Amino acid sequence: SAVISQKPSRDICQRGTSLTIQCQVDSQVTMMFWYRQQPGQSLTLIATANQGSEATYESGFVIDKFPISRPNLTFSTLTVSNMSPEDSSIYLCSVANLSGRATDTQYFGPGTRLTVL
Amino acid sequence: QQPVQSPQAVILREGEDAVINCSSSKALYSVHWYRQKHGEAPVFLMILLKGGEQKGHEKISASFNEKKQQSSLYLTASQLSYSGTYFCGTPHLGSGTYKYIFGTGTRLKVLA
Repeated sequence: SAVISQKPSRDICQRGTSLTIQCQVDSQVTMMFWYRQQPGQSLTLIATANQGSEATYESGFVIDKFPISRPNLTFSTLTVSNMSPEDSSIYLCSVANLSGRATDTQYFGPGTRLTVL
Repeated sequence: QQPVQSPQAVILREGEDAVINCSSSKALYSVHWYRQKHGEAPVFLMILLKGGEQKGHEKISASFNEKKQQSSLYLTASQLSYSGTYFCGTPHLGSGTYKYIFGTGTRLKVLA
């Protein structure tokens, strides 16, 4: 499985500011995803980061709030813009090498714990 | 669309057994199980494919009934290290798209 790192591991931010989270993989991967996990909750998919094109967002998440970049097959960023306390959460990057089969598996980075004051 | 897991939470003594269920309203092609310890990322445990195949990891096994759109995770002779939150996950394959939906989660605590 791939080794995935995220930066920062945690941050405390002021309302109205933006934070960019980086996800780095040690090998090329087909797919990269961004999830949000609120305290005590399951993982909610924010978007699929597409290399060389705009990310694919899930219902309830928009590009203006969560711009995503993926310049190559090993790196992606997620920006949380104009933050409010409701954005306090853990943000997780995950990767998968897809062959189009049901056996394709995702692996997760360590996560970024964000607190917005 | 999100798979529903039951129970929501369970407390065990070391050595006891537990079953965690995952039920989907949509057709399942495979079910993946993950365990997340507090403050850590989810870790892949096993994958179940069509055909009712059972898989094992440590003393943890699982089954998949695609007709009932359900999967169950069996934890046998539980150990303290089994504590954490268990998620089932299902891939959704569309035309040119792929996404992964996680279940509601089950919190498991094993006491000494």
